Amino acid sequence: QLQLQESGPGLLKPSETLSLNCTVSGVSISSTDDYWGWIRQPPGQGLEWIGIIYYGGSTYYNPSLKSRVTISVVTSEKQFSLRLRSVTAADTAVYYCARVIQHQLLYGASWFDPWGQGTLVTVSS
Amino acid sequence: DIQMTQSPSSLSASVGDRVTITCRASQSISSYLNWYQQKPGKAPKILIYAASSLQSGVPSRFSGSGSGTDYTLTIVSLQHEDFATYYCQQSYTVPHTFGQGTKVEI
Repeated sequence: QLQLQESGPGLLKPSETLSLNCTVSGVSISSTDDYWGWIRQPPGQGLEWIGIIYYGGSTYYNPSLKSRVTISVVTSEKQFSLRLRSVTAADTAVYYCARVIQHQLLYGASWFDPWGQGTLVTVSS
Repeated sequence: DIQMTQSPSSLSASVGDRVTITCRASQSISSYLNWYQQKPGKAPKILIYAASSLQSGVPSRFSGSGSGTDYTLTIVSLQHEDFATYYCQQSYTVPHTFGQGTKVEI
């Protein structure tokens, strides 16, 4: 059964770099044609799409974060990561990782399933 | 970016009610529309993908419809476990933006 689990520091100071890992169990990231992604949710607010990565290296980022964000696959093939540079209080959120499922017939259609449980990252001085 | 606008932002309903939530995209998204359910403190869960396809394991009281810019999530005979926040998401173009959410309350 595929499961995802986020891990990383829960408290950062402004200007620091947010680094999170997503550990995937039940499948090897390199053995599927799936993308893997990150989503975040500020406390009490809605969902924001951060970006996705394909094992082969293709990445797509939210333009609003593109200058600060990097998503990469960790060599172990069991993890992918999120790095967000120069954080501010506005980056305080629950960060989720998820698998991206692609529709077999409707080219390009995709959705997130399953999701990790999420990890709260707080940015405060 | 494609803007996704849900209505209403919240609604009150009773067990057994029929509930309809609407999602409007700022441009045509050709059925590249997903619906998620999120309960407090939990990650979202996919309900409907590609506008009208029911995810395996999701009760048949949930259904999705729509085309172009306008999409609808319908819950017939609302159950206790359906009280949650619902989000639409488009996957037509990057970034795959979400609606602001609709909270279904008792």
